[in-house]
Parts: sequence; C-alpha cells; structure tokens
Amino acid sequence: EDKVVQSPLSLVVHEGDTVTLNCSYEVTNFRSLLWYKQEKKAPTFLFMLTSSGIEKKSGRLSSILDKKELFSILNITATQTGDSAVYLCAIAGAGSYQLTFGKGTKLSVIP
Amino acid sequence: NAGVMQNPRHLVRRRGQEARLRCSPMKGHSHVYWYRQLPEEGLKFMVYLQKENIIDESGMPKERFSAEFPKEGPSILRIQQVVRGDSAAYFCASSPDGTANYGYTFGSGTRLTVV
Repeated sequence: EDKVVQSPLSLVVHEGDTVTLNCSYEVTNFRSLLWYKQEKKAPTFLFMLTSSGIEKKSGRLSSILDKKELFSILNITATQTGDSAVYLCAIAGAGSYQLTFGKGTKLSVIP
Repeated sequence: NAGVMQNPRHLVRRRGQEARLRCSPMKGHSHVYWYRQLPEEGLKFMVYLQKENIIDESGMPKERFSAEFPKEGPSILRIQQVVRGDSAAYFCASSPDGTANYGYTFGSGTRLTVV
C-alpha cells in the first residue's frame, strides 16, 4: 500500500523566516510527487516533481525530489502571513488514477 | 473555464437524513474522482467515475454511500441516513484522462456537518 508521511505536522514561524517542509513516501511504480496548498477551500496545485535533483521554483517557494531516499522537501523563504495554510504532499503511481496524500503540514506565519 | 464546480459549499443535515453532493467537472474532462477529508486527516480516495460508469469504488464505505455520474448532469455523491462520523469535507476532482500522473484539479469542496 502506498504511503506518504509529512513532517512536521504543524509549524509556527514569524514573518520573514524560512521554512522547510518534509515529505517521505513509499510507492510501487512511482510516477510523480505533487505539492498542494490548502487554505479553507480547494487544494491548489503548487508543484509536480518527477525527476531527482531538479529543483522546481515559483517565487519564494521551491521544491526538490530525491527518488533514491524517497523524500521531497518544500522550502518557503521570507514567509508572509499569506503563506499560512496546510501544505499537502501526494504521490501518483504510474498509470494509477489515485493520489495518496499525507496528513499535511499546518503552517502558521505570525506577524 | 469555470473549473471544477461543487455545490453546496456547506451542508448541514440531521442524523438519519440524506445528503446529496454535486460535482461538475472541468469542461472537456470526463473522469471524476471523489475524496473525503476528515478532521486532521489527509484526503482519502473514495470513488472514480466516468460517464455512466463506476470504475473504482474501493474507497467508499460499504453501506449508505453511493455515487453516480450520469450521461447528462453533474456527478452525485449520496450519503443515506447520515451519522455524525460522516461530517467531513468532500472534494471532487476531474482529469482529462484516467490517470493522476499530472495531478488533478480540485473543486472547492462541500463541508458536511451532521448534527
């Protein structure tokens, strides 16, 4: 059975701090790893990672995948209060229609 | 493109009533997936449907839950005789093909509260 474990489960930081969120996984026939941001509504897509060592970047957010050690990290630099959300990590197996999600990391950024 | 549309956004039901949740996929998408998110839990797969077909309902509770995606109209997730444990956020997603290889687009969810 596919499995995704995220850590920490919650995190409180001050504006301007840099944070690193972790995601480890077990999956048969890995296809991709995805990060979503969830505020009080739909999970919104952040990144999809398929290859090891290639950093994906969008503004202050970046992510990288290590397929050998089976983990990914999501970095957020210069955090803002608008970054407060639950960050979800999910994996897709090749040819599968299911995403397996972790429980998420709840990030709170305080002024 | 209106995206994946779910309604209602919030639904309150008394124990024993029926809940009907609706999902209209993105234009051009014929594959629909329902996920449930319990408090403090990640999203869990419930069911995968194509038009007029249930492809995989392995994540659905065996009783009281059913889903359909008719030829015309939205996909419906129905919960009969709701209990407090059914209180959760129910998300629908759609894709143009039958894989999650590139992720999905999620709707805004229906938050069901059973009182």
